[in-house]
Amino acid sequence: DIVMTQSPDSLAVSLGERATINCKSSQSLLYSSNNRDYIAWFQQKPGQTPRLLIYWGSTRESGVPDRFSGSGSGTDFTLSISSLQAEDVAVYYCQQYYTTPLTFGGGTKVEIK
Amino acid sequence: EVQLVESGGDLIQPGRSLRLSCAASGFKFGDYAMHWVRKPPGKGLEWVSGINWNSGVIAYADSVKGRFTISRDNAKNSLFLEVNSLRVEDTALYYCAKGSGRRSVEWSPSDSWGQGTLVIVSS
Repeated sequence: DIVMTQSPDSLAVSLGERATINCKSSQSLLYSSNNRDYIAWFQQKPGQTPRLLIYWGSTRESGVPDRFSGSGSGTDFTLSISSLQAEDVAVYYCQQYYTTPLTFGGGTKVEIK
Repeated sequence: EVQLVESGGDLIQPGRSLRLSCAASGFKFGDYAMHWVRKPPGKGLEWVSGINWNSGVIAYADSVKGRFTISRDNAKNSLFLEVNSLRVEDTALYYCAKGSGRRSVEWSPSDSWGQGTLVIVSS
């Protein structure tokens, strides 16, 4: 199974500052035939269902603010929030969909400093 | 608007069985893969099982393989999860989630989620 390791477990960032979440996969998520990374990022706010933010490693889902961006390739990936807003307080998860079983990272809790 | 409504969760003793259901609306259900994802209390998301659009491809997490069975009825826009031999560690909020790729030959991330149904396994 592909293991997804997120870091840090939690972080506190001041409003308007940048938040960076890392995700490392135990094997490459890059499919050579289409040059796509099979990783997605989700946001889960307290009391709410998960929301898809990013897929193919860097493609924003419709309606997601452009302060959210995904980067990386192969085994190392990053979700960045360029200017943290109060409504961004949530737990963020990476997920690989390269192969089954699909697997999530352990989650990163983002709070306001 | 996509709607996914789960049901069937309950407080149940270890070793017993349940059938979870998910009623879908607002999209062409038969064109999309569907998933079950769970969230144990105080823990993160865990993918449980997925089924492609025509039930031709099915997969499970190692932790549930042999105990859980996913199925769908495209005529009734419904997704199911038979959960057998329940264990305390199966306690979780179980979400039904829609894959994002239409009639895709590969798995895709979930772009719509239900509110979940709670399964509590306890003696």
